[in-house]
Amino acid sequence: DIQMTQSPSSLSASVGDRVTITCRASQGIRNELNWYQHKPGKAPKRLIYAASRLESGVPLRFSGSGSGTEFTLTISSLQPEDFATYFCLQHSSYPALTFGGGTKVE
Amino acid sequence: QVQLVESGGGVVQPGRSLRLSCAASGFPFSDYGMHWVRQAPGKGLEWVAVIWYDGSNKFYADSVKGRFTISRDNSKNTVYLEMNSLRAGDTAVYFCARASFNIPDFWGQGTLVIVSS
Repeated sequence: DIQMTQSPSSLSASVGDRVTITCRASQGIRNELNWYQHKPGKAPKRLIYAASRLESGVPLRFSGSGSGTEFTLTISSLQPEDFATYFCLQHSSYPALTFGGGTKVE
Repeated sequence: QVQLVESGGGVVQPGRSLRLSCAASGFPFSDYGMHWVRQAPGKGLEWVAVIWYDGSNKFYADSVKGRFTISRDNSKNTVYLEMNSLRAGDTAVYFCARASFNIPDFWGQGTLVIVSS
């Protein structure tokens, strides 16, 4: 199984801060990685697919980069509505999808 | 807009069964595969199962293989997860998600399953 190691598990940030979250894969997964935002009691929302492609309607302050084993989600200027948990998902080993452990931005 | 609404969660004793439902709307349901994903309390997300758009293929995580069954009724725009021989370790919020090119894009809000005596 491909393991996804996400860091940090939590971070404290302020409005306007630049935030960076990383996912590392235990083996190469090309660009087969998505990023999601999850708020308590809500449905997770896909932000990024194919490692760097922004989902329609997602603000441009969100961006994704990376390929192979290391991937990054960046929020260029944190907004109040961005306080949430973020997680990555690799689908290179479909159907056995695996997720990162999540990063709580507070 | 795309909506996925899970139901059927609750408290169940170990060894018993439970069936979850996920009602879909806002998109041509019979054109899309569907996933179930779960999140145990304080833990990360775990993929559970996927079913293709026509029900012709189904895949399961090793942790649930032989105990859980995914199915769908395209006439009712609903996907199901039949869970048998439930264990304490199956306690989690269960999410359904639409599969776009096999990958989850839209998700529901989840339904909580607690396995406890």
